[in-house]
Amino acid sequence: GESVGLHLPTLSVQEGDNSIINCAYSNSASDYFIWYKQESGKGPQFIIDIRSNMDKRQGQRVTVLLNKTVKHLSLQIAATQPGDSAVYFCAENIVGTQKLVFGQGTRLTINP
Amino acid sequence: DTGVSQNPRHKITKRGQNVTFRCDPISEHNRLYWYRQTLGQGPEFLTYFQNEAQLEKSRLLSDRFSAERPKGSFSTLEIQRTEQGDSAMYLCASSLKLAGNYGYTFGSGTRLTVV
Repeated sequence: GESVGLHLPTLSVQEGDNSIINCAYSNSASDYFIWYKQESGKGPQFIIDIRSNMDKRQGQRVTVLLNKTVKHLSLQIAATQPGDSAVYFCAENIVGTQKLVFGQGTRLTINP
Repeated sequence: DTGVSQNPRHKITKRGQNVTFRCDPISEHNRLYWYRQTLGQGPEFLTYFQNEAQLEKSRLLSDRFSAERPKGSFSTLEIQRTEQGDSAMYLCASSLKLAGNYGYTFGSGTRLTVV
């Protein structure tokens, strides 16, 4: 399953399938990007990050792709599991600041 | 020390009252951040400390909000004369550095409800 466009609040995929969550970031001065997972009642949990001098980075079952030309970020989760159900946020860091600017998030639901 | 600790987890207060939240970061982290998150939205940056110095403040941090980190360890966030619009989750995070996965770790937050 894949979320498209600037904002799609929910994404449902079958357990075992791959999922792609998309994010459009706003500031061309951003040089560092992070994907977070947030489960109900908990704070955001770091998944994977990428600097602006890279276009792809892989972790365990996750891959982040960065397209600076169109200011687009995506998170690919391979072989989804029930525990992947959560809200996923992308966040960008603007050069010269210490703050992260978060997107609105996508709720991922894994169907058994 | 297994993570960022925030207290209380929940706070219900009447409009006009003052509230104070506490954040205990991971002990070796010198950077501490406060964010606010409303339902269905991503967290919004409020302020940042490096050790005891408050180095960045968002415009969201009105005069009714004040944050301190007096000894460079725990931090408090106080909201005076609370308003219903202050109802939100207040998240604290800490890190050694911002980039490169230097342990930018969030706590579980304090959920504030103003009635």
